[in-house]
Amino acid sequence: SQQGEEDPQALSIQEGENATMNCSYKTSINNLQWYRQNSGRGLVHLILIRSNEREKHSGRLRVTLDTSKKSSSLLITASRAADTASYFCATATQYSPLNNDMRFGAGTRLTVKP
Amino acid sequence: EPEVTQTPSHQVTQMGQEVILRCVPISNHLYFYWYRQILGQKVEFLVSFYNNEISEKSEIFDDQFSVERPDGSNFTLKIRSTKLEDSAMYFCASSGIGLGNTIYFGEGSWLTVV
Repeated sequence: SQQGEEDPQALSIQEGENATMNCSYKTSINNLQWYRQNSGRGLVHLILIRSNEREKHSGRLRVTLDTSKKSSSLLITASRAADTASYFCATATQYSPLNNDMRFGAGTRLTVKP
Repeated sequence: EPEVTQTPSHQVTQMGQEVILRCVPISNHLYFYWYRQILGQKVEFLVSFYNNEISEKSEIFDDQFSVERPDGSNFTLKIRSTKLEDSAMYFCASSGIGLGNTIYFGEGSWLTVV
């Protein structure tokens, strides 16, 4: 099965700084999605990037995808204390025409200090 | 915005008892999922469900687990003969059909087996 693996495992920054999290995966994908999870809460979808896309923006979020390196990055610009959460990448394989089963990595725990 | 709802939010059960976790997926979604997250660990895929049958399941989803869509709106996860190691947050999710559809997660049901 396909899984994303994030790094770093933990990241601590000051409010206003940018945060970059990386994700690597092993096999061909159709799309890659980033999710956020506040402690003890559900997963909130942030952004989806398809395998034929290289970069995508949503507000303060910027996601890149390099299929040749099997990696993606999530950049949060001008971070705020409220961005403190765990961030996960999840991948859907290319080989399941109907399935959209996502596999998650272990996540990056981001702490933004005020 | 439509959302996935889960009940109960928290359940404590005795080891060996059966538990049913309930979910109401987003109404026009056709694909349903259960994931679990043991405290401090990553989100793990359990099972996906489409067209009234299991589409894919992980090695975690053994004979102890079963899923059902008893009516047009509910999607349940049954855990028979619970064990201590079943203690986890269980997330229900749903999506439209086909790759590239965002998976929407509920807030989770926290199961504690004592």
